[in-house]
Amino acid sequence: AQTVTQSQPEMSVQEAETVTLSCTYDTSENNYYLFWYKQPPSRQMILVIRQEAYKQQNATENRFSVNFQKAAKSFSLKISDSQLGDTAMYFCAFMTFGNEKLTFGTGTRLTIIP
Amino acid sequence: SAVISQKPSRDICQRGTSLTIQCQVDSQVTMMFWYRQQPGQSLTLIATANQGSEATYESGFVIDKFPISRPNLTFSTLTVSNMSPEDSSIYLCSVRGTGGTEAFFGQGTRLTVV
Repeated sequence: AQTVTQSQPEMSVQEAETVTLSCTYDTSENNYYLFWYKQPPSRQMILVIRQEAYKQQNATENRFSVNFQKAAKSFSLKISDSQLGDTAMYFCAFMTFGNEKLTFGTGTRLTIIP
Repeated sequence: SAVISQKPSRDICQRGTSLTIQCQVDSQVTMMFWYRQQPGQSLTLIATANQGSEATYESGFVIDKFPISRPNLTFSTLTVSNMSPEDSSIYLCSVRGTGGTEAFFGQGTRLTVV
């Protein structure tokens, strides 16, 4: 079974700063996907970024980027130039290739301070 | 992409009663997923609903407690039966976009059992 661990229950940073959220996972699979989802107070789960395990290049989406270390089973999210709208719960998630079920981490509550 | 309409958005129910949550998708999808998010916690998969067959339940969840219907490729319901205060959670419906890896979520149903 796969497990996803987020060791930072809460984080806060000043607006415009950079923040990194940590995620580690455990799996015996070789082909899989990793995701970061954002859940603002509205409860709507929103995909922030995804990474295919077979790709060595780290994914980027505007201000969001990941540091994917496959050997270390680490998948951190970096948010640059943080904005007030980034305030939310962030969940790291894992999906095995060919299996559509997502396994979520425990989440990190991120607060951006004006 | 997929747009998911989930109803009701919230409800307060008496213990011992049942609540049925509806999930409507704007496109045909093979699998629909039901998650539970207990207060302040992560998402846990309850079951996977396939059209035309019985739902597949995850460990710790049983059909008698969480019966699921999947009458067609765009609709599913989850019933929370014989509710107790421990069932107070957010329940979310999710689907995978056609040909993609991104999961789309409904806005969730916040259930409070008193």
